[in-house]
Amino acid sequence: AQSVAQPEDQVNVAEGNPLTVKCTYSVSGNPYLFWYVQYPNRGLQFLLKYITGDNLVKGSYGFEAEFNKSQTSFHLKKPSALVSDSALYFCAVRDRSYGQNFVFGPGTRLSVLP
Amino acid sequence: NAGVTQTPKFRVLKTGQSMTLLCAQDMNHEYMYWYRQDPGMGLRLIHYSVGEGTTAKGEVPDGYNVSRLKKQNFLLGLESAAPSQTSVYFCASSYSPYNEQFFGPGTRLTVL
Repeated sequence: AQSVAQPEDQVNVAEGNPLTVKCTYSVSGNPYLFWYVQYPNRGLQFLLKYITGDNLVKGSYGFEAEFNKSQTSFHLKKPSALVSDSALYFCAVRDRSYGQNFVFGPGTRLSVLP
Repeated sequence: NAGVTQTPKFRVLKTGQSMTLLCAQDMNHEYMYWYRQDPGMGLRLIHYSVGEGTTAKGEVPDGYNVSRLKKQNFLLGLESAAPSQTSVYFCASSYSPYNEQFFGPGTRLTVL
């Protein structure tokens, strides 16, 4: 079975400070891992993905994520947060060797305070 | 290039009524998906399609039906709406099951 957890419902960070949004996953084999962002009253937008290769993945809007196989984590990071980064963030996982579909986490609401 | 569009944006139904949600994509994607989003539960897959003429059940298919008569369109039907189907519905498409999905703006459905 596949599952993904985002242990924090809400993350608050001051503008200019680094931010981290956590994601841990469980799959039987090796994972595909994605991060999406959702702004109010909008659909999800793709940020970045890990398929294979370098464990540090860089994506849109200055975001990056690090794949850690031993800790089964894929935390989203940004060195310097902007107020405009305030949104709902979703982690998604799919086992490479099982099934067709991604499983999404419950989401983490990021608030960047000016 | 409109991407993924959804019709309607909002709808209010009474219990027992039926409706169809339309999703259209102009990216020539084979894979299309219908999700529902409920607070604190993330997105849950209702049905999906791996190509024109195909449909398959996702995680929460009960009470919904789908059709993919044309590659660019994916319809989601509610035959007899129930209050438990009050949710925000998102359609998405992707080039392959391993690629990122492109999402529509969503349909907010309320069932009274």
